[in-house]
Amino acid sequence: DTGVSQNPRHKITKRGQNVTFRCDPISEHNRLYWYRQTLGQGPEFLTYFQNEAQLEKSRLLSDRFSAERPKGSFSTLEIQRTEQGDSAMYLCASSYHDRDLNIQYFGAGTRLSVL
Amino acid sequence: RKEVEQDPGPFNVPEGATVAFNCTYSNSASQSFFWYRQDCRKEPKLLMSVYSSGNEDGRFTAQLNRASQYISLLIRDSKLSDSATYLCVVKTGGYQKVTFGIGTKLQVIP
Repeated sequence: DTGVSQNPRHKITKRGQNVTFRCDPISEHNRLYWYRQTLGQGPEFLTYFQNEAQLEKSRLLSDRFSAERPKGSFSTLEIQRTEQGDSAMYLCASSYHDRDLNIQYFGAGTRLSVL
Repeated sequence: RKEVEQDPGPFNVPEGATVAFNCTYSNSASQSFFWYRQDCRKEPKLLMSVYSSGNEDGRFTAQLNRASQYISLLIRDSKLSDSATYLCVVKTGGYQKVTFGIGTKLQVIP
């Protein structure tokens, strides 16, 4: 399968714990995006990378959130000191800048439950 | 005003019916438009891009009205398998900021 891959698919954690999610984009894609989606809402943009550079961060991304894409390939999203309000589906998408209208292809997501 | 607005529905339609969804956007500088489909507890998947001249893909027709700042999706001859949430996506700006609508839920009934 050469699509966008996200791990883990599900994560249950206790409030206050740190969690890290991984996203492996489609191999030739140079842009990678993170979104958060809660029930009944559309995906909300968190941040995106072009290669290894983090070019934009949403104000939704509080100080407890950090994302990296160290070698311009896979990316990690870390949430520190999780809160119950962080419970959501975290979606990763990738695209190739300047090709095909920069269409984004999504992974299956990581569903986070904070108890 | 939200950047992208959609009627969340649900739209309950019988098999074979024609159904249309609209999506309005607030930024006149928006450049690219898409419809994504999202099944329950699954990831969004691209349904179709929306071109200025309008475009059709089988039973699906998408149109863009820049003057009134809305896009539309028409589904003809609805199938049970069309039941899903349809997300409107708008791209704006040099960094191609992407904004999703809340999604419109469609339920096709036998």
